[in-house]
Amino acid sequence: DAGVIQSPRHEVTEMGQEVTLRCKPISGHNSLFWYRQTMMRGLELLIYFNNNVPIDDSGMPEDRFSAKMPNASFSTLKIQPSEPRDSAVYFCASTERQSSYEQYFGPGTRLTVT
Amino acid sequence: GDSVTQMEGPVTLSEEAFLTINCTYTATGYPSLFWYVQYPGEGLQLLLKATKADDKGSNKGFEATYRKETTSFHLEKGSVQVSDSAVYFCALSPGGTSYGKLTFGQGTILTVHP
Repeated sequence: DAGVIQSPRHEVTEMGQEVTLRCKPISGHNSLFWYRQTMMRGLELLIYFNNNVPIDDSGMPEDRFSAKMPNASFSTLKIQPSEPRDSAVYFCASTERQSSYEQYFGPGTRLTVT
Repeated sequence: GDSVTQMEGPVTLSEEAFLTINCTYTATGYPSLFWYVQYPGEGLQLLLKATKADDKGSNKGFEATYRKETTSFHLEKGSVQVSDSAVYFCALSPGGTSYGKLTFGQGTILTVHP
């Protein structure tokens, strides 16, 4: 299995631009999680889905952030407009079933907003 | 709400030294407990887990025991190696209908010198 796939691995953009991060979970996994990691705030859960339905988006920092999961094999996290304080590493993770405890993480997308 | 507190880092050790990273938690009910490890430039990966009181999780020479009376899940290794240098995260899952959601501690950076 290829594991969780994220793209791009690195993204550098200017303030005000739209950024779209992509995630392909492991086939057969039905829960998907988006995290943000920074030195100051550590690892933060932004939003998670179960069977493509958003369950909890209370971690999304503000309306500039949105996430979708149109099908079981694809999810996006969009930031519009981006700001320098959004610079972070964004991780996607998936789990096999509702009661599963092990989350499988992707390699992350390092976002830099200048 | 649920929370996880880890000892402050960074932790710096010489090769073959004994390692302890403290972790305590606050949760209702009977959570499952985990240690995840993040190597440089990678996503998190599960190191070990324990799903009920007095269980001991172990992997790659690391161990942690689920202590309900002290609400703790301290990570230990008898003899660390340079390759163990990484960031270690303690986490809990409340189980039930949590969809695999995890609450993470802030992470502890471990550096092992030859």
